[in-house]
Parts: sequence; structure tokens; C-alpha cells
Amino acid sequence: DSGVTQTPKHLITATGQRVTLRCSPRSGDLSVYWYQQSLDQGLQFLIQYYNGEERAKGNILERFSAQQFPDLHSELNLSSLELGDSALYFCASSESGVAYGYTFGSGTRLTVV
Amino acid sequence: DAKTTQPPSMDCAEGRAANLPCNHSTISGNEYVYWYRQIHSQGPQYIIHGLKNNETNEMASLIITEDRKSSTLILPHATLRDTAVYYCIVRGIYNQGGKLIFGQGTELSVKP
Repeated sequence: DSGVTQTPKHLITATGQRVTLRCSPRSGDLSVYWYQQSLDQGLQFLIQYYNGEERAKGNILERFSAQQFPDLHSELNLSSLELGDSALYFCASSESGVAYGYTFGSGTRLTVV
Repeated sequence: DAKTTQPPSMDCAEGRAANLPCNHSTISGNEYVYWYRQIHSQGPQYIIHGLKNNETNEMASLIITEDRKSSTLILPHATLRDTAVYYCIVRGIYNQGGKLIFGQGTELSVKP
């Protein structure tokens, strides 16, 4: 157990639907990062939150959004889902944005049918 | 952040040392070298990082050349469980953006 909890582990949904992925960071970590990993792509950085505020954005689609709540857990919302959104979605946390010691969760495998 | 170049794949015999190279010729003075690995479909795992001195921890050793333009991650006694994709990343230790950018990495296969 890495200390970063992601739920659900697996999700199957239809095209056009909306889903929410949840991440609880390691205790004490203020930064949360979301990554997408599809079969033909590497790990793609989506977005970072630090203590409730958006800090950095990567190649995140407009159909995707995220937020970090006061208790520091984060949610990634994916809407108008397409087949190409099928991927593993990882959440990571770190203290204060230092590059070492990022802790990743075990991921949510999203399948869009 | 400086660009890194890694071989796409490597093989290693079980019990032998695995030496994974990384080139980062454009590294700047305040940038560190970080190594992470991803075992099949699991979340990436931090291994080690360093600035200019060689570093060792319970998982691996990191050797950085004197000019800092390349480095080598050493797994001293590779096991089958070390089969994974290994990522070399170069960036400053503090970054307001905070994000880690993963390249394609090296797929290490440890064989019996």
C-alpha cells in the first residue's frame, strides 16, 4: 500500500457518459497530480493541485476537469466519454511539489465501450 | 527541464547487475536526476535521485558523470521482480509547476 488511494479500481462505461475518479493523497502531502496512460501513449501529465488550488496543467482535454477539496482528496471528472479515453488514470501525491518521493496510487482502469 | 535519452529496452540475467544508462547533455546546474520505475500497469515507483555525487539506497545506486551529462542506474543483483520500465527524469528539485514529465523509458527484462 503506497498510501495513495484511488477508487474505483476498474470502471466500465458507455460513450457519452460522465465518470468521477477519486484520489486520497498520502497523509501530509499537499500536492496531487493526475496522469493518463493509454496503451499507445506513455504517462501523460494532466493536472496538478496544491492545497486546493490548481497549480499546473498538462494536456488535459476540456471535457476533463479536476478539483481538490479542503480535506485534500481530489476528483477527476471525465465527461462526454469517447472510446479513446479508455486508459489507466493514476493519481500521485507529494509534499510541497518536490520532485523526489512522488507516491503513485494503483490507478483506475477506465474502459469506455 | 532538460531532455533525457534512454535505450528503449535492455535484458539482464537474474542475479547480475543491471546498468541502465541515461543521457542528459543539456542538464543545468540546479537540475537533479531522478529515477522512477513502473512495473506492469502499476503506479510508478520512486527509486533514487541525485545532483552530482553518486547516491545509493536500499533499492539502487546512481552514478552521475563528472560533467553531469549522463548517469547510470545500477540494480546490483537484479531479480525477476525488477522487470519494469525505468524512467530517467531531469528537473529542478523545487518547481512551482511541480509536475514530473515521463519519457518513454527503458524496458528492462530480467531473465532467469
